[in-house]
Amino acid sequence: DIQLTQSPSTLSASVGDKVTITCRASQSVGTWLAWYQQKPGKAPNLLISKASTLESGVTSRFSGSGSGTEFTLTISSLQPHDFATYYCQQYNSGRTFGQGTKVEI
Amino acid sequence: QVQLQESGPGLVKPSGPLSLTCAVSGVSLGSDNWWSWVRQSPGQGLEWIGEIYHRGDTRYNPSLNNRAALFIDKSKNQFSLKLTAVTAADTAVYYCARISKSSQFDYWGQGTLVTVSS
Repeated sequence: DIQLTQSPSTLSASVGDKVTITCRASQSVGTWLAWYQQKPGKAPNLLISKASTLESGVTSRFSGSGSGTEFTLTISSLQPHDFATYYCQQYNSGRTFGQGTKVEI
Repeated sequence: QVQLQESGPGLVKPSGPLSLTCAVSGVSLGSDNWWSWVRQSPGQGLEWIGEIYHRGDTRYNPSLNNRAALFIDKSKNQFSLKLTAVTAADTAVYYCARISKSSQFDYWGQGTLVTVSS
């Protein structure tokens, strides 16, 4: 079982801030990692696939990087609608999610 | 436009089976995609349950100890989940989702809350 650990669990930030979320895997997942945004009461929304590929329609303020066991999601300039919970998810072996990072004001 | 909609009982008794259906519109279940169930316990993170291909091939999360089974009905363009021997720990919002050809969850249903309680 591949475990994913996100840090921090909660991130307090302001509009305009640059924020970075880290996702560490218990073993290598190559670049088979995705990032999702979830708002309260809603299903997750796919932001990034294959570690760094931005999905169609997703703003370029989001970017992803990393490979192997360490990955990051960066939001370059936080906007009010970016306050949400973010999850990483590996699909190298089965599918597992990180525990989430809540980005709050 | 691809849309998914979960349906099923919102309350299930302990030890009983939990059964949910996902109706898909805008795309055929016979397309080259896997179809999946993901759940989220109240205030918690996301857990992949399993997935099914249109030929009936399935993959499951081992942590569920063989309690989950997925079925597909291409004539109705829907797929379903059956989870046996449920406990309070199975209380969650259950989502159905499509897995894209590049293997991510790209379309999701709105989710349905299932509570396990007597």
